[in-house]
Amino acid sequence: DVKVTQSSRYLVKRTGEKVFLECVQDMDHENMFWYRQDPGLGLRLIYFSYDVKMKEKGDIPEGYSVSREKKERFSLILESASTNQTSMYLCASTGQDLSGANVLTFGAGSRLTVL
Amino acid sequence: GQNIDQPTEMTATEGAIVQINCTYQTSGFNGLFWYQQHAGEAPTFLSYNVLDGLEEKGRFSSFLSRSKGYSYLLLKELQMKDSASYLCALSDSNYQLIWGAGTKLIIKP
Repeated sequence: DVKVTQSSRYLVKRTGEKVFLECVQDMDHENMFWYRQDPGLGLRLIYFSYDVKMKEKGDIPEGYSVSREKKERFSLILESASTNQTSMYLCASTGQDLSGANVLTFGAGSRLTVL
Repeated sequence: GQNIDQPTEMTATEGAIVQINCTYQTSGFNGLFWYQQHAGEAPTFLSYNVLDGLEEKGRFSSFLSRSKGYSYLLLKELQMKDSASYLCALSDSNYQLIWGAGTKLIIKP
């Protein structure tokens, strides 16, 4: 089974701190994604990457950056955390299932609270 | 524009059948996904429809009508473990996913 591992399940940070969220997948997938999930809203795409050192902005990239130095690792960086970045962050990678669909496999999530 | 709607919450009884609807508007379409998400856990893939009709997988089935911009997830023989949120996601013309807010399904004994 594909495994997507996020390094921290719960984090509490202070406003202005730099925050790193790490994500590693073990199935040699090309594509990796960072989403945030907030109550009452659909998943919102922050950034995605199609290959090493490649990154593309999603729908809500402001206040975030990413790094993909190795194929298996995709990091999300909050340069200066703010309270409105309190959220659940989900990392995912895609591979094709038997139907040919590009299926997302998610990590367990990182719940970030910014005080 | 693009949007996707599904009910916020539904309640059903153990052993019964429930249908969770998802309606969408989009200019380009490359399939519709359903994911299940238990509280505090990651979403997991349930089904994918790209052609009209019903896809059955055990107790779960998913239906698509592209002309009506409509899909549903049908869950049969409900079990308590089916209590979860069900997320509908549309793949647009660029293969980017647009997500519904999710339907929280509560199963009562």
